[in-house]
Amino acid sequence: GQQVMQIPQYQHVQEGEDFTTYCNSSTTLSNIQWYKQRPGGHPVFLIQLVKSGEVKKQKRLTFQFGEAKKNSSLHITATQTTDVGTYFCAGLGNDYKLSFGAGTTVTVRA
Amino acid sequence: EAGVTQFPSHSVIEKGQTVTLRCDPISGHDNLYWYRRVMGKEIKFLLHFVKESKQDESGMPNNRFLAERTGGTYSTLKVQPAELEDSGVYFCASSQEWATSYEQYFGPGTRLTVT
Repeated sequence: GQQVMQIPQYQHVQEGEDFTTYCNSSTTLSNIQWYKQRPGGHPVFLIQLVKSGEVKKQKRLTFQFGEAKKNSSLHITATQTTDVGTYFCAGLGNDYKLSFGAGTTVTVRA
Repeated sequence: EAGVTQFPSHSVIEKGQTVTLRCDPISGHDNLYWYRRVMGKEIKFLLHFVKESKQDESGMPNNRFLAERTGGTYSTLKVQPAELEDSGVYFCASSQEWATSYEQYFGPGTRLTVT
């Protein structure tokens, strides 16, 4: 089955700085979804990317899907304390099953 | 609209005991999924129901795990007998569709600790 690798596992960011988390799949994906889990919470859907090379923005968050539909990234600009949490990518394979990355846990220092 | 609910929120049991987790999906969602996250690792797929039928149970670790969804509404996941490596957070999620890749709505999870 497919595997989705996500890096970095931890990201400690100064408030106001930017950071990026990356996902790579061992196989071509039908689409990729991103979820955010706040401390003590559960994963909450953020966005879905379907097309090759697709780029979507949500305020300070920019999501990209690679041309080969095997990798994706989430870039956050001007990090705020509200950005704290774990960000998961999840790739949908041809078997219609979501494979999650291990997540990037983000902490922010004021 | 009520979200996905799970019960219990926490469970601490001894090795060899039995535990049953329950998930109530969002009303009208035919698709129900079980996942497990062991600390610091990925959220791992366990199985997928479409209504009362098991669409995919390829992620179930072994035959100590039994999932049911009688009537196509709520689902239960029984672990019998529990082992230490079964500890983790068990998430349930539901969605309206699956082949067209709708977003999944996650429940709060059940944190299972086997001692």
